[in-house]
Parts: sequence; C-alpha cells; structure tokens
Amino acid sequence: DTGVSQDPRHKITKRGQNVTFRCDPISEHNRLYWYRQTLGQGPEFLTYFQNEAQLEKSRLLSDRFSAERPKGSFSTLEIQRTEQGDSAMYLCASSLLDKNTGELFFGEGSRLTVL
Amino acid sequence: AQSVTQLDSQVPVFEEAPVELRCNYSSSVSVYLFWYVQYPNQGLQLLLKYLSGSTLVKSINGFEAEFNKSQTSFHLRKPSVHISDTAEYFCAVVLSGGYNKLIFGAGTRLAVHP
Repeated sequence: DTGVSQDPRHKITKRGQNVTFRCDPISEHNRLYWYRQTLGQGPEFLTYFQNEAQLEKSRLLSDRFSAERPKGSFSTLEIQRTEQGDSAMYLCASSLLDKNTGELFFGEGSRLTVL
Repeated sequence: AQSVTQLDSQVPVFEEAPVELRCNYSSSVSVYLFWYVQYPNQGLQLLLKYLSGSTLVKSINGFEAEFNKSQTSFHLRKPSVHISDTAEYFCAVVLSGGYNKLIFGAGTRLAVHP
C-alpha cells in the first residue's frame, strides 16, 4: 500500500499562469476527492469522482478550475489564469466505493503559491 | 446543510496534562462524525470515528471522543498528553449513507509544551 501520492508537493507560479496537479490514489480505491485548505481553515470540498465520472463540483470550483480522472485511476486538477487567491494547499483523497464510513485517505498535498 | 464548529483555534497545554478539544456540529439528518489529525508536514490521518453504537469511541493512542446527540457535540479528550501529540486536529461530519463527502471544521492547533 503506497498511499495517496500527489505531485508536485510545492508549486510557485506567477499570476496568470496555468498550473496542474496530479493525484495517484490508492490502487483499488474507486472514489477520489479534491479539497482545498487555506491557512487557518479546514479542508474545503472541491470535487468528487466515482471511477472516471465527476459526480459533484463545489461552487468553490470556478470556471478556471478543471479536474479530470480519465481512466478512473489518477486525477489531475488544473487551474488556469491563476490568481493570488488561489494560493492554498490542494489535497487529494481516496476511498472505496463500498465503504461509506467516511474514512478518506489523504495525500500530503500540493502547496500552491501564486505571486 | 451540515456544518462543524471547532470552538478553539489553539489549545496550549503542558505535557502530561489532560486536554479537551471541542467540536459542535449542525445537521438536520443523521451523520457520521470524525476526528482527523495532521502532524507537521504530513497528510491528514483518521484518528477516530463514530458511526453508530457506543457513543464513546477511542483511538489507539489514548484519545477518546463522545457523541452527544442532544448537545450535537463530539468533543475529543485525552487524559495525559505527550509532546508527540502536537498537531492540528480537525473535526468532520459526513451524511450517513452518503459518499464520504466530509465537511471539516476550521481545526484546533494543539501545542504540547514540556
């Protein structure tokens, strides 16, 4: 069990640039989640995939954000035309379909700094 | 909609002292309750959870939490803390029977001093 891995761990970019984060969930997990965490706040739900289907998107996910999970395995989160307000830790988590117990397995996160 | 309030943003405590981290939730439907812990430079980890049954749940490292439906609370306690317990603690809820969409509180930073 290699756990949930996220790449890159840190990204510094200039305002207006595009960035992409990748998440590799635990291999047998068919549910995948993206959260955003800003300083002093708890993680906020962004979006959820069941296999390759994106089943829910938060209103926090503006049109500049897009997430994909093309083959139901890894997922990418792209932010276009980054703004300083996008600076945050982006967390990925995964879980099993048949275990509605609330236990999510989180990666260590990708920290984005927009200058 | 569900929401979680963690009443203390920071809790300083001396080693071997008892500690309580408070959590209140709001929901009109049945929920599951969780405490997650985030150690420095690490990802979130599940500490303990309440799904059903006994309202007192315990973790392997000495923490416990009690579900109180009438007070809509799920406070976390430990009778004697260690330096290694220094971390950020997040209370969370999810709709029972849902797909694990966790709603988190803002977190409580526990700082254990020697």
